[in-house]
Amino acid sequence: DTGVSQNPRHKITKRGQNVTFRCDPISEHNRLYWYRQTLGQGPEFLTYFQNEAQLEKSRLLSDRFSAERPKGSFSTLEIQRTEQGDSAMYLCASSRVDGGAETQYFGPGTRLLVL
Amino acid sequence: AQSVTQLDSQVPVFEEAPVELRCNYSSSVSVYLFWYVQYPNQGLQLLLKYLSGSTLVESINGFEAEFNKSQTSFHLRKPSVHISDTAEYFCAVSESGSGGSNYKLTFGKGTLLTVNP
Repeated sequence: DTGVSQNPRHKITKRGQNVTFRCDPISEHNRLYWYRQTLGQGPEFLTYFQNEAQLEKSRLLSDRFSAERPKGSFSTLEIQRTEQGDSAMYLCASSRVDGGAETQYFGPGTRLLVL
Repeated sequence: AQSVTQLDSQVPVFEEAPVELRCNYSSSVSVYLFWYVQYPNQGLQLLLKYLSGSTLVESINGFEAEFNKSQTSFHLRKPSVHISDTAEYFCAVSESGSGGSNYKLTFGKGTLLTVNP
């Protein structure tokens, strides 16, 4: 069990550019979540996958955001035409539902700065 | 919809003193409760959780939290803190239920615990 990994750890980009983040969950975890954390706030839910299916998206996830989880393994989060307001820490978590309950395990996050 | 309130944004304490970080939640359904800890520039680490059973839950590093349904609280306590406990602590809730539920977490804004020598 190597834990949840995220790449890159840091990303600096110019406004208007596209960025893509990757999350590798704990193996055999069938659920994968994306959260966004801005300075001084707790993480906020963006979207989640059960296996390869994206089952819910938050209103925070504008049409510039897209997430995928091909084959139910790793996931990518893409932001198109980045804006300064997209600057935040993007956190990925994975979990396995066990007996009607689950615990989410978080990766180290990707910190995005949009100039 | 659920919400979490962490009443203190910052809690400074001296080493070896006791500490309590307060968490209250609001939900129309049954919930699971969690405390996560975040060290600078790192992701969140699970500290402890309440899913069911005993309302008092403990972590391996001396923290404990008690689920109080009537007061809708899940306060975190430690009888004697160390400098290494300095970090931000987040309380979170998710909806409990069947395996088909979305267990997305709703977080509070966090409490920065600073332990001074």
